Amino acid sequence: QMQLVESGGGVVQPGRSLRLSCAASGFTISIYAMHWVRQAPGKGLEWVSFISYDGSNKYFADSVKGRFTISRDNSKNTLYLQMDSLRAEDSAVYYCASVYGSGSHNWFDPWGQGTLVTVSS
Amino acid sequence: EIVLTQSPGTLSLSPGDRATLSCRASQSVSSYLAWYQQKPGQAPRLLIYDASNRATGIPARFSGSGSGTDFTLTISSLEPEDFAVYYCQQCRNWPLTFGGGTKVEIK
Repeated sequence: QMQLVESGGGVVQPGRSLRLSCAASGFTISIYAMHWVRQAPGKGLEWVSFISYDGSNKYFADSVKGRFTISRDNSKNTLYLQMDSLRAEDSAVYYCASVYGSGSHNWFDPWGQGTLVTVSS
Repeated sequence: EIVLTQSPGTLSLSPGDRATLSCRASQSVSSYLAWYQQKPGQAPRLLIYDASNRATGIPARFSGSGSGTDFTLTISSLEPEDFAVYYCQQCRNWPLTFGGGTKVEIK
């Protein structure tokens, strides 16, 4: 069974950094592009970042560009999101997701259970 | 950025009813549209991709249609477990974007 488990969330002060991890089990992420998607409390879904299967291509939402970095360690079957210069508006549940099926298009499935990031002084 | 507008915001229906949800794109996304279901406290689940293809394990009562700028998710007969929030998403252009969601609630 394909499963993703996020970790690393927590409460952090504005301007500080946090690193999220997403560990995969039941499949190898090395052949899949991966994404981060977030959801502020009581709000809708917002795509955050993409990384290709080999890490050679990366995209970011404008809201996080220059502050967030996405990376992967295929040998550890793990995806990461480094979040720097955090702002209150970055507070959200962060989900990692794999691309679905053959990965020909960027549909998200499976998803992890999410990890909550709260940016507050 | 492609903006996806979902309507209605809330749909109040009874089990057994037919649900029709709309997603309109600010520019053509061809058939590069998906639908997700999200229940409280859970991650979203992929229902429909490429506008009309059901994802693995999704019941046949869920169907998607449309292309270009206008899309529809139909639930032919609502089951109790279908009351949730539904989101559309496009992957035609970067950045990937989601609609604001439609909540299907029990009437």
